[in-house]
This record gives sequence, C-alpha cells and structure tokens, in this order.
Amino acid sequence: KNEVEQSPQNLTAQEGEFITINCSYSVGISALHWLQQHPGGGIVSLFMLSSGKKKHGRLIATINIQEKHSSLHITASHPRDSAVYICVPRGSQGNLIFGKGTKLSVKP
Amino acid sequence: DTEVTQTPKHLVMGMTNKKSLKCEQHMGHRAMYWYKQKAKKPPELMFVYSYEKLSINESVPSRFSPECPNSSLLNLHLHALQPEDSALYLCASSQFGPGELFFGEGSRLTVL
Repeated sequence: KNEVEQSPQNLTAQEGEFITINCSYSVGISALHWLQQHPGGGIVSLFMLSSGKKKHGRLIATINIQEKHSSLHITASHPRDSAVYICVPRGSQGNLIFGKGTKLSVKP
Repeated sequence: DTEVTQTPKHLVMGMTNKKSLKCEQHMGHRAMYWYKQKAKKPPELMFVYSYEKLSINESVPSRFSPECPNSSLLNLHLHALQPEDSALYLCASSQFGPGELFFGEGSRLTVL
C-alpha cells in the first residue's frame, strides 16, 4: 500500500466549478505540503500545513491529523488552474513523501 | 528574493560528455535537494544537502555527482550518462526542519 494516496488521479471541470482534491497518508507526519506543477515542469508550493485550515485567494487547504487526511479546494475554478496538484506529507524524520499527483483540467 | 534559479533550462548531451546542472538560492536556506522526475511521475529524491553537507544519497549511480560549494549553490555534475537518465531535474530548498519548500523551474536533460 502506498504511503500517500491522492484522489482523483484525473479531474476535468468546467470553469467556475468548486474543486476538491483529497490526500490520505498512512505515516506520522510533521507537516504536509500541497504543490502545483504546470506543464512546463516548474513547481510552486501552495501550502504547508500542520493543523487546521489555510486559505490563499481561491485556494483552501485543510488537514485532519487524527484521520491522516488533507484536502485542497479550489473555488471558482479557472482554466489557469489547470495543473498537476501534488500532496507531499513530511515524515517525522523530515523526509518528503510525494503523492502521485492529481491532474486537473479546467475547461472554459 | 524567494527564487530558486536553475541553469541551464534545457541540456542535450551525449553519453561521453561531462556537463553540470546548477542551482542557486539566496533565501538563507540550509537544506537543498535534487530530484529527478520522469514524465507523468512524481519527483524522486536523489540527494539532500544539510548545512552544505551531503545528508541523503538515495542510492544514485556515481555518474551523478552532487556538490555544494557554499550555502547558496548546489551543483549536479553529470558524466557518462545513459539515455534512461533523460528527465527533468528539479532543485528545491527549505529552511532546515519542516519549512516551506521552494522549487526551481527545473533543467530538462536529454541524453543521446
């Protein structure tokens, strides 16, 4: 069993839709990162969470440490949100565990 | 300055060539990472430098040789690579400990 599971693997949405990407992990963590990777390859760090909820613009990330689960929400989605979103728990030894990513495509 | 700068952006090399990838950050981060990413796969950790010392080497072949000459600079020296080494090579940095990650744009390597 993978230590990090993301769902869905692929997601197609219409512009304006509310989007949720889920991440479940099986190890103890010190923090969890959500990353965004565009087709060109560059990676942007969206959030680092260790508890609760964070909001940045149209993006919201939540984490439930007891349930070992995190979600990334995008409100009022836009074609420029099309990217791969990667959940990356940081293990208690500081090691980063990459999820396989969720490929999001937002159609105009 | 919150950037991690990688050069070159693209590199094509033959199997007998020697080349280097460079990564630079001026955020005072003391942890720096090299990752390799194949198409449609998540990044795979290659090396971690902590306070300019190699702390993790994920069983990477010796044809990849990392170097951290100072706290701002991380190099990856390449020699006698194989075509299967063609990939996107990503550099990242963070504060030591569970700090936010900053990634470069990557160097796309093609080995002929």
